[in-house]
Amino acid sequence: DTGVSQNPRHKITKRGQNVTFRCDPISEHNRLYWYRQTLGQGPEFLTYFQNEAQLEKSRLLSDRFSAERPKGSFSTLEIQRTEQGDSAMYLCASSSSGGSSGANVLTFGAGSRLTVL
Amino acid sequence: AQSVAQPEDQVNVAEGNPLTVKCTYSVSGNPYLFWYVQYPNRGLQFLLKYITGDNLVKGSYGFEAEFNKSQTSFHLKKPSALVSDSALYFCAVRDMGSARQLTFGSGTQLTVLP
Repeated sequence: DTGVSQNPRHKITKRGQNVTFRCDPISEHNRLYWYRQTLGQGPEFLTYFQNEAQLEKSRLLSDRFSAERPKGSFSTLEIQRTEQGDSAMYLCASSSSGGSSGANVLTFGAGSRLTVL
Repeated sequence: AQSVAQPEDQVNVAEGNPLTVKCTYSVSGNPYLFWYVQYPNRGLQFLLKYITGDNLVKGSYGFEAEFNKSQTSFHLKKPSALVSDSALYFCAVRDMGSARQLTFGSGTQLTVLP
């Protein structure tokens, strides 16, 4: 397993366009997270899945944002009608659950950097 | 609500000297505490965690952290810094009893000078 994979790594778009990011987590991890990181800040939680169920959503996740994990494996994060304030690094992470020593430890992907012009 | 404070935006230390990166936290219950490191254009890498047990936690690359419940702190330490330790360090907390998501601090840029 090569870890958490995110695509695309960079996306430049014009204001008002829609963008979609994909995350492929570590295969045996049933939990998947999306975070947003802006320059000089720590990652901010957006949403969380356990298997295919979206269990938590941050207030940061406006109506223009939607995330899915249809089969409990990969996930997509879509941003509709992008705004310049959406420019950020979008990070995906995954983790296992239960009593294993790896539980609670998030493994992050390299991120997808969005620039909205 | 849970929160993390990293009071220093920047820490500079000479190679070979000990380093400390500070973190304080606030949670309503018992905390899970983590340190992550981020290199340029890379994702966050896990360094160490405190869940329960010994207050001194040892992690990757010679780093360790001490959990202090009375001071609500979880400072990251290393006895002898390397130039390659230069990176952005994030402390994170999760309330054991409630939300599953981590809350991160704003990060501390560590620069180890040769």
